[in-house]
Amino acid sequence: QKEVEQNSGPLSVPEGAIASLNCTYSDRGSQSFFWYRQYSGKSPELIMFIYSNGDKEDGRFTAQLNKASQYVSLLIRDSQPSDSATYLCAVRDGSGNTGKLIFGQGTTLQVKP
Amino acid sequence: EPEVTQTPSHQVTQMGQEVILRCVPISNHLYFYWYRQILGQKVEFLVSFYNNEISEKSEIFDDQFSVERPDGSNFTLKIRSTKLEDSAMYFCASSQNYLAKNIQYFGAGTRLSVL
Repeated sequence: QKEVEQNSGPLSVPEGAIASLNCTYSDRGSQSFFWYRQYSGKSPELIMFIYSNGDKEDGRFTAQLNKASQYVSLLIRDSQPSDSATYLCAVRDGSGNTGKLIFGQGTTLQVKP
Repeated sequence: EPEVTQTPSHQVTQMGQEVILRCVPISNHLYFYWYRQILGQKVEFLVSFYNNEISEKSEIFDDQFSVERPDGSNFTLKIRSTKLEDSAMYFCASSQNYLAKNIQYFGAGTRLSVL
């Protein structure tokens, strides 16, 4: 059973701080990793994707991938109250030919003004 | 910007009734997916669909579920005889292909409430 694990939180940070969200995955064959943001009652919204080891930056967001440790993280700099949401880590299934995503439980982030 | 459209946004049904959830994927996409999310739980893969046939399905996707692409635009999920435990958010997603770097775009979801 392929698993994606996240700490469900909540992770509480003050406005302007860096929020660090972590994710581990079990399938060593996985090649693609995604971070989705989900507001309560809404659908997942893609905010970052990463395929190669190292860091990838997009505005206030940085995704970090370490395939040897099977670890993905998301850093949010200058956190804003509007960043308060659940962040879902998703891993594309490395086997087969369907590209299905395997999701973690999600980490709830609370940014306090 | 192209988007995946789902209807209805909320469906209320009685246990044992059939429901059809509808999706219009992004027009040039070839791979279609259904996921569901029970309240407070993970987003779970149900089924993927390509070239007018199911390419993969999960254990959840039993004989009560079916998918269809009845025309060139719609993609539907049918639940033949709904159970209380089918109550969940159902998300449709589409992508251009299944390759590693391809992005899946999600619709806004249909909230299914089985009474």
